[in-house]
Amino acid sequence: SYDLSQPPSLSVSPGQTATITCSGDKLGQKYACWYRQRPGQSPVLVIYQDDKRPSGIPERFSGSNSGNTASLTISGTQAMDEADYYCQAWDSSTEVVFGGGTKLTVL
Amino acid sequence: EVQLVESGGGLVQPGRSLRLSCAASGFTFDDYAMHWVRQAPGKGLEWVSGINWDSGSIGYADSVKGRFTVSRDNAKNSLYLQMNSLRAEDTALYYCGKDAAASYYDGSGCDYWGQGILVTVS
Repeated sequence: SYDLSQPPSLSVSPGQTATITCSGDKLGQKYACWYRQRPGQSPVLVIYQDDKRPSGIPERFSGSNSGNTASLTISGTQAMDEADYYCQAWDSSTEVVFGGGTKLTVL
Repeated sequence: EVQLVESGGGLVQPGRSLRLSCAASGFTFDDYAMHWVRQAPGKGLEWVSGINWDSGSIGYADSVKGRFTVSRDNAKNSLYLQMNSLRAEDTALYYCGKDAAASYYDGSGCDYWGQGILVTVS
């Protein structure tokens, strides 16, 4: 099976840059996307096809994917960015797979 | 406005069946792939199933393969998930998700999600 690994948690101060990683075998050869999920809400797509932002997602959200690691970077982190973040990719063996999620705390 | 509304959830005994529905509106349903994603209480997201725009390609997570069946009716703008032989570990909030592309393996992700419907197996 294909697994995606994320750090369980990350803390950042307001205004700083938060980088959340997602690791998987040869992940750079697949497309990765990222979701934000605030408590009690449905997920929201923030990055797709590695580095593209859907309309309505602020420019401070960016993505990259190379080698075995995809990254979601939030520049100038704000209190409203506090949420769980999940990476997702597709693999021929496992089909669609999610990472375990990273809880981002802004304090 | 895109809307996805799930229905059909509830409390069911282990071994029994349940059918979830997702009513879609606000977009051309038969242009896009669709997904079912679930989230157990206090846990992360788990992909359940995906289906291409024309039902030509369908995929399942190993955890539900052989027990769950996804389908869609493009004439009714609806997505379905037939869940058989339910287990306690299937207890979760089930989300319907619209893919941003016609194929569920395109890497475009789910750009719209429903509010979810709770399935409790006990």
